[in-house]
Amino acid sequence: SQQGEEDPQALSIQEGENATMNCSYKTSINNLQWYRQNSGRGLVHLILIRSNEREKHSGRLRVTLDTSKKSSSLLITASRAADTASYFCATDASGTYKYIFGTGTRLKVLA
Amino acid sequence: EAGVVQSPRYKIIEKKQPVAFWCNPISGHNTLYWYLQNLGQGPELLIRYENEEAVDDSQLPKDRFSAERLKGVDSTLKIQPAELGDSAVYLCASSLDRVGANTGELFFGEGSRLTVL
Repeated sequence: SQQGEEDPQALSIQEGENATMNCSYKTSINNLQWYRQNSGRGLVHLILIRSNEREKHSGRLRVTLDTSKKSSSLLITASRAADTASYFCATDASGTYKYIFGTGTRLKVLA
Repeated sequence: EAGVVQSPRYKIIEKKQPVAFWCNPISGHNTLYWYLQNLGQGPELLIRYENEEAVDDSQLPKDRFSAERLKGVDSTLKIQPAELGDSAVYLCASSLDRVGANTGELFFGEGSRLTVL
């Protein structure tokens, strides 16, 4: 079973534009992470935000977390063709000690 | 520092044949995970080890799947016999600390893509 749902399922933008993807989850969490997966490769950790944090930045990435709505968003600013990948959120549901991944957003950045 | 190493990268077998995947986690990482990823989906946890102990195998189909992590380092995941529906990517990941403690960041291998004919 998958706890998270990313939205949109697919996103196509022009290079230089911003990309926003959202994640909704079902249960209380300790923290939430975002991962990137290039085609045919493993997942790479991007950023972690804890349940007591509301916003976090890392380079061109900005993550927000709204625990009251059980949702998170990932913003990639000034996108590049190299950002083309699938993006997954993963939640550490409180008390379960395991990460459950969402269904992913497939981002395509056109040069 | 070497990352998580998995082998084989690709495997094609006939249904009812056995198959095994191997994973070498990052040195010093206590926690090891096996995930299954179907095409177009997110990874789904099969089993989680803390050192050599399987602490969560609730999602592992035990009638045909087995896993072991001897000496708390390398791990193998076996399927016997394989079925058509087992075609997927099997991902191994490791982390330094138990989920919920410290960073919780998972480091993934490149995966083993299984095709069952």
